[in-house]
Amino acid sequence: EAEVAQSPRYKITEKSQAVAFWCDPISGHATLYWYRQILGQGPELLVQFQDESVVDDSQLPKDRFSAERLKGVDSTLKIQPAELGDSAMYLCASSTWDRGLGSEAFFGQGTRLTVV
Amino acid sequence: RKEVEQDPGPFNVPEGATVAFNCTYSNSASQSFFWYRQDCRKEPKLLMSVYSSGNEDGRFTAQLNRASQYISLLIRDSKLSDSATYLCVVNDRGSTLGRLYFGRGTQLTVWP
Repeated sequence: EAEVAQSPRYKITEKSQAVAFWCDPISGHATLYWYRQILGQGPELLVQFQDESVVDDSQLPKDRFSAERLKGVDSTLKIQPAELGDSAMYLCASSTWDRGLGSEAFFGQGTRLTVV
Repeated sequence: RKEVEQDPGPFNVPEGATVAFNCTYSNSASQSFFWYRQDCRKEPKLLMSVYSSGNEDGRFTAQLNRASQYISLLIRDSKLSDSATYLCVVNDRGSTLGRLYFGRGTQLTVWP
């Protein structure tokens, strides 16, 4: 069964350091999402790609976060500098997209970030 | 107001019980609806899609009421393995391609 791959699974970093997460979506999925999930809350969208284009980054803290999907396949999410409040699970998901049908999203296992 | 509202619970029920979760959404233009299950410290996984006519998958029944902007999930004959957080998810087509909005989740614990 095809899966969304994410790495690393766990990351501990000191505040003010840079950190990067990688995601490889299911082959053929044009839509890629990065979500952040704080314990006890639902996932919140950070950025959404359609192929290589950003279609929604309204909730991305652009002063410190950046995301790219240069070839429309895998994606990288970067935080620089990391802050204590960035400690969370970072989830990548992918889906097909068809305006005629809503598309379920498939999630990777996530990267659990701890900023110390 | 959040796009998707859920009662966070927790719901604590004995094995064999029937339990129902509710969810409301704010955008009447929402097109697709899902229930996801999330185990502790794991990623969300699709439990079932929710269709206008209602749909059933074994012990799980999902209902959608577009007029009231309300989604429900019913679990019959609860099992210990049903213990998890259940996330209500709404897909808004609108001007953003297939954006998914998540509720905060409802925590369920099934005890023996």
